[in-house]
Amino acid sequence: AQSVTQLDSHVSVSEGTPVLLRCNYSSSYSPSLFWYVQHPNKGLQLLLKYTSAATLVKGINGFEAEFKKSETSFHLTKPSAHMSDAAEYFCVVSPPAGNKLTFGGGTRVLVKP
Amino acid sequence: NAGVTQTPKFQVLKTGQSMTLQCAQDMNHNSMYWYRQDPGMGLRLIYYSASEGTTDKGEVPNGYNVSRLNKREFSLRLESAAPSQTSVYFCASTRTGSNQPQHFGDGTRLSIL
Repeated sequence: AQSVTQLDSHVSVSEGTPVLLRCNYSSSYSPSLFWYVQHPNKGLQLLLKYTSAATLVKGINGFEAEFKKSETSFHLTKPSAHMSDAAEYFCVVSPPAGNKLTFGGGTRVLVKP
Repeated sequence: NAGVTQTPKFQVLKTGQSMTLQCAQDMNHNSMYWYRQDPGMGLRLIYYSASEGTTDKGEVPNGYNVSRLNKREFSLRLESAAPSQTSVYFCASTRTGSNQPQHFGDGTRLSIL
């Protein structure tokens, strides 16, 4: 069984300041973990994925995430927010074999000028 | 550069009407999925098709049927629509194998009155 909890439903940041989106997971095996972004009225786009190689994963648009097994966390960060980062972000877990994804509830990011 | 295409983009139905949502992918992916997205709940898997000729239930299959018409196309049918099925529906596809990211369409926004 697997589950994902995104600890913040909404995050508000000022443009140029760091962004932190928190994600904890529960899994009975070594999972694959993903972050997806969804802009308004669009589908989901892959930001990055963790698949048991490096624990620090770099993604598109300056995002990165760190896998911490001891804390069962996979938090997403970006050093400097841009207005275009305003979107909803989903943390997702997948079993090592197969592709049935389990989604967190999402974090909506607001970027203030 | 189409990726995953969903039709229609918007639809309003009356309770009891039937409707088929269409999905097609041009990436030669083996696996396809249907999700629904409701506020605060992330995406939940309705049905999936691991390969052409096979379909399986996901987390919330009640009230839906699917057809994997060929490798490219995977349709979702509501036989007798209910207000509880008001949602945004996403189709996704992926290559066979572990840790493969899913590619999403832009969604169908369905309202049932």
